[in-house]
Amino acid sequence: SAVISQKPSRDICQRGTSLTIQCQVDSQVTMMFWYRQQPGQSLTLIATANQGSEATYESGFVIDKFPISRPNLTFSTLTVSNMSPEDSSIYLCSVRTGIGKDTQYFGPGTRLTVL
Amino acid sequence: DAKTTQPNSMESNEEEPVHLPCNHSTISGTDYIHWYRQLPSQGPEYVIHGLTSNVNNRMASLAIAEDRKSSTLILHRATLRDAAVYYCILRALNYGGSQGNLIFGKGTKLSVKP
Repeated sequence: SAVISQKPSRDICQRGTSLTIQCQVDSQVTMMFWYRQQPGQSLTLIATANQGSEATYESGFVIDKFPISRPNLTFSTLTVSNMSPEDSSIYLCSVRTGIGKDTQYFGPGTRLTVL
Repeated sequence: DAKTTQPNSMESNEEEPVHLPCNHSTISGTDYIHWYRQLPSQGPEYVIHGLTSNVNNRMASLAIAEDRKSSTLILHRATLRDAAVYYCILRALNYGGSQGNLIFGKGTKLSVKP
């Protein structure tokens, strides 16, 4: 299993600013992901965070808006840049512990409100 | 990604069994059927998954139709803590590529009445 912590747990930000969300896992994992959950909606995959290389973004998400870093096998960051009220969501980090491992684990999420 | 269809919501009484249906008529031979649930104010958590045979674990049972075009998640005795959104997801067995990514649909919101 994997225990995931995220910082901050919530934040209220002003339009036009940026916020970096941290994801820390208690063990080394092969794959890390970032999801967004808009109010009252399901989860949408933003990107796969790749160690040592650029993240792989899903359709509709771009690096300039959501830059992602993954410096090692236990840590990743997601930055929400130049925020607008439409970015108000819960952002969740998720991991898979190994190649061929079927279970995916999710962090508690970061609740972001943009004014 | 193959699609799943679930009812938007279901209600159950506490301590009674719950059968949550999922249709996936376009499932491919290599798609696994995964179920996750999301309790209020939490991230999703894994419930169960299977390929062809019925599966049981401490949380639930998964019944898969013979043609694999539908499946049912069974909670044997619902508790108030089981109130959550349940997601049925098809996921290819994958060894590192994007086909194995978890793509969430809308899920079924389960309410449990005392």
